[in-house]
Amino acid sequence: KNQVEQSPQSLIILEGKNCTLQCNYTVSPFSNLRWYKQDTGRGPVSLTIMTFSENTKSNGRYTATLDADTKQSSLHITASQLSDSASYICVVSDRGSTLGRLYFGRGTQLTVWP
Amino acid sequence: EADIYQTPRYLVIGTGKKITLECSQTMGHDKMYWYQQDPGMELHLIHYSYGVNSTEKGDLSSESTVSRIRTEHFPLTLESARPSHTSQYLCASSESRTGDTYEQYFGPGTRLTVT
Repeated sequence: KNQVEQSPQSLIILEGKNCTLQCNYTVSPFSNLRWYKQDTGRGPVSLTIMTFSENTKSNGRYTATLDADTKQSSLHITASQLSDSASYICVVSDRGSTLGRLYFGRGTQLTVWP
Repeated sequence: EADIYQTPRYLVIGTGKKITLECSQTMGHDKMYWYQQDPGMELHLIHYSYGVNSTEKGDLSSESTVSRIRTEHFPLTLESARPSHTSQYLCASSESRTGDTYEQYFGPGTRLTVT
């Protein structure tokens, strides 16, 4: 069964600190992995997309890593800001279907305190 | 900021009413999607469309229906709302270019409450 598991479920950090969010997946055949940021009451916004051949991708203070062999990914946030408070969702796409099916994790709820 | 819009943003309605959730995009995307999301849970695909006059059901069974008469418009309709339909509904769109890394853009969502 294709699944995407994220940890931790929730996380509280102080402003300025770094944090790392984890994602494990069983989606096969694998096409790409995405990290989205979803603010409360809003739609998800894409942060990074990585294919099989990419193992690191950065977008400002966000750095995603991918280990396709172990089927794990992480999202590292550097020097956190209050605006980083949101749900971070790991999404994996499979290969072989015209639609490119997306499998969503439940997200990690990050809260940044001043 | 993606050019994809949803109305209404919030809707509280009584059981048995017919409702239509609107979704429009100005990016000329062929593919459009409807997802359902409950608090703390993952998004579930309920409908999608490859283009005009194309609609398909997604992974999660839904009593809603969709139509795609124009490229930019993908409304979702519930003929008779029930409390079990209470949820957040997210619309999304993407390009039809070849390759796997197409970007999927999401609207702000409609929070539906059926009393």
